[in-house]
Amino acid sequence: GAGVSQSPRYKVAKRGQDVALRCDPISGHVSLFWYQQALGQGPEFLTYFQNEAQLDKSGLPSDRFFAERPEGSVSTLKIQRTQQEDSAVYLCASSPMTHYNEQFFGPGTRLTVL
Amino acid sequence: GQQVMQIPQYQHVQEGEDFTTYCNSSTTLSNIQWYKQRPGGHPVFLIQLVKSGEVKKQKRLTFQFGEAKKNSSLHITATQTTDVGTYFCAESTVGGGADGLTFGKGTHLIIQP
Repeated sequence: GAGVSQSPRYKVAKRGQDVALRCDPISGHVSLFWYQQALGQGPEFLTYFQNEAQLDKSGLPSDRFFAERPEGSVSTLKIQRTQQEDSAVYLCASSPMTHYNEQFFGPGTRLTVL
Repeated sequence: GQQVMQIPQYQHVQEGEDFTTYCNSSTTLSNIQWYKQRPGGHPVFLIQLVKSGEVKKQKRLTFQFGEAKKNSSLHITATQTTDVGTYFCAESTVGGGADGLTFGKGTHLIIQP
């Protein structure tokens, strides 16, 4: 079966540009997560959705970061006015249930801001 | 916020040697998950530990959760080249599917043939 997919896989943006990163979770998965992974570091939590509801956005680093999941399936992470420090791999993960389940990660989108 | 510390950051071993990575927290952990990330890949779930003192085995991998639920370890017996990657522990306050995971910095396992 299909896993979590993300697009684009690679994105190069000029500083100040807006970008949109897409995540297609595993069909039927209730929970969806976004993480940011800097080179050589562990993933850092950004935000969490349960169906279409954004239950936790405490990890979003600034108000330039915005995430949505309007129909409870596909999610988009938008970064406005990108800065060089936004360069990282953005990972999306989904999970089938709300408690005590593993998270299934997508391949990530590598964002490079020049 | 909650932090999990992992040591060592890097571990070089000869193929066939054993490997252990440790995860420590200053506060009691609700549960601990372990993930493996191959170079250029994404994290892949290995296991979840919930109970105090829990020990689980997966072939050559042994996972332990401390009695006080403040530490955990992953031990690999007789490493193989396929074990190369970064091993992360991760903690979830509520449960892996219900909130974001707090990852350690990971242990990079490098195997010399």
